[in-house]
Amino acid sequence: QITLKESGPTLVKPTQTLTLTCTFSGFSLSTSGVGVGWIRQPPGKALEWLALIYWDDDKRYSPSLKSRVSITKDTSKKQVVLTMTDMDPVDTATYYCARRPGGFVGDGFDNWGQGTLVTVSS
Amino acid sequence: IQLTQSPSSLSASVGDRVTITCRASQVISSYLAWYQQKPGKAPQLLIYAASTLQSGVPSRFSGSGSGTDFTLTISSLQPEDFATYYCQQVNSYPLTFGGGTKVEIK
Repeated sequence: QITLKESGPTLVKPTQTLTLTCTFSGFSLSTSGVGVGWIRQPPGKALEWLALIYWDDDKRYSPSLKSRVSITKDTSKKQVVLTMTDMDPVDTATYYCARRPGGFVGDGFDNWGQGTLVTVSS
Repeated sequence: IQLTQSPSSLSASVGDRVTITCRASQVISSYLAWYQQKPGKAPQLLIYAASTLQSGVPSRFSGSGSGTDFTLTISSLQPEDFATYYCQQVNSYPLTFGGGTKVEIK
């Protein structure tokens, strides 16, 4: 059974740095083609892709956030960490991590965490 | 690549056939996925590669299209299908999602 779970602060102040951890089980991030990504969703709004890290440490970022976002992995701990600097109230959203299985042309994110709501407020 | 979904919302009855459209701003071959999201829940993958049904997804869901125009069809709407649906292109970075289509009860 594949599971992912996000953890981190629920409230951050403007200008602070957000660090979120995705802890997963049921698959390995050392398997060829597999990736773990972060997606966020402001309240009442659409999904927005943020970043993705692959089994071979290839990293991809949304250009609109690239200067503020960093993604890393710890394969042995089965964790992926998202760091976002200079947080602003507009970054208030539910943050999800999700698995990209790889190996399929045109695949999407097939397993998602439950999400964690992060509020940015002073 | 921008994805435009239409309609943004629709009202339908149980048993209705429902069609949602996703148009890409440039050609993405068949590199499109569809998700269903219920309130307070994470999205769930329904279809990938434009027309391949994800394991465990009911066969009343189907996807079609290639290039720039794609369609998600629910052949006979069930009570549990009332949700918001998103398309996502995985052709190139940055990965992008459509604005969503909310399917409500008539």
